[in-house]
Amino acid sequence: KQEVTQIPAALSVPEGENLVLNCSFTDSAIYNLQWFRQDPGKGLTSLLLIQSSQREQTSGRLNASLDKSSGRSTLYIAASQPGDSATYLCALPGGSYIPTFGRGTSLIVHP
Amino acid sequence: KAGVTQTPRYLIKTRGQQVTLSCSPISGHRSVSWYQQTPGQGLQFLFEYFSETQRNKGNFPGRFSGRQFSNSRSEMNVSTLELGDSALYLCASSAGTANSPLHFGNGTRLTVT
Repeated sequence: KQEVTQIPAALSVPEGENLVLNCSFTDSAIYNLQWFRQDPGKGLTSLLLIQSSQREQTSGRLNASLDKSSGRSTLYIAASQPGDSATYLCALPGGSYIPTFGRGTSLIVHP
Repeated sequence: KAGVTQTPRYLIKTRGQQVTLSCSPISGHRSVSWYQQTPGQGLQFLFEYFSETQRNKGNFPGRFSGRQFSNSRSEMNVSTLELGDSALYLCASSAGTANSPLHFGNGTRLTVT
């Protein structure tokens, strides 16, 4: 059974800091990995999708890396802003497993 | 391109009643999956429909059921509601291949009293 773990569970930082959110999974036989953000009471907004053959993906201030062999992914947020405050989830959305999600990292960026 | 649309946004029901939630996927997407999100359990997979057929199912009781129509719209039904069914119900659509990303709607907040 695939399991996804996210560390840390919560993070509070001042504006402007560079951040690293971690995601680990137990079975490296994945098709892809997807990072989402979720604002309170809302759905999930897709941030980045990394295919299993890729090592990283970038979108603006966000960079996600994937190391399948070690079962790890990181989401790097550069120059954090208060608008980045949200819960960030990583997920293994496809393949032979049912879609599996981490519990998320709750991020607060204070001015 | 319109996103994933879920209706209604909020529902309040009483124990023992049943409820039906609706999800309209992104145009062209043939897969719709449903999830329950609670503070205690996080985001849990309920089931997935692809081209009107249930393709995958999570570990939920038979009170939770779904269907998909020929236009890919999907409905989820919960019968004999329990207090523990109070949650945010999310649906996601995708193209349905193994490497397709998921796109989520804003969810339906169900409160059972």
